[in-house]
Amino acid sequence: DQQVKQNSPSLSVQEGRISILNCDYTNSMFDYFLWYKKYPAEGPTFLISISSIKDKNEDGRFTVFLNKSAKHLSLHIVPSQPGDSAVYFCAASAKAAGNKLTFGGGTRVLVKP
Amino acid sequence: DADVTQTPRNRITKTGKRIMLECSQTKGHDRMYWYRQDPGLGLRLIYYSFDVKDINKGEISDGYSVSRQAQAKFSLSLESAIPNQTALYFCATSDDRQGGYTDTQYFGPGTRLTVL
Repeated sequence: DQQVKQNSPSLSVQEGRISILNCDYTNSMFDYFLWYKKYPAEGPTFLISISSIKDKNEDGRFTVFLNKSAKHLSLHIVPSQPGDSAVYFCAASAKAAGNKLTFGGGTRVLVKP
Repeated sequence: DADVTQTPRNRITKTGKRIMLECSQTKGHDRMYWYRQDPGLGLRLIYYSFDVKDINKGEISDGYSVSRQAQAKFSLSLESAIPNQTALYFCATSDDRQGGYTDTQYFGPGTRLTVL
């Protein structure tokens, strides 16, 4: 049973518009959440993270929102650019479990010019 | 220069063969990990090592073994490959000195393994 789920396998958005990627988790022990971005033929690269003591973290065009009561987080990309076309993975960890990462299945984002 | 390298990048093998995937890092990190990626399932942890003398099973370790030859090297072996081990394999590293929060993990480029 997947503890971290990304229910949208793909997303298509127009350049300049907002991309919203969603992620749900079931393990209430998770206390740190990360987003990774992956281009074809490359490994995932770290994008942004948030700890459970916060509900928002922003880094340039990327903002992550955490709703602990709903066990839900989202990644907003504003404005979307063609170079943002990639697969995005949500990941979560629990300090009590040794900080190992549990990944969602990924969402493929296509930004159209 | 890549900080985390994996060899080979692509491998096709037959059922029953022994395969070794190698990972090297120049980041000086103590922690290393092996994951496999399957469509729709994201990355799943196979094994991890927090230092040279430490080896731990991950979520899906059956059918795999690892060796931590040095701080910079962590290899994954499939003793007798089977078709459902066809996947993309990633090595990752992290530094355990990031103030108590989860270490950001840095990934290699991956090895695409096909078992016929």
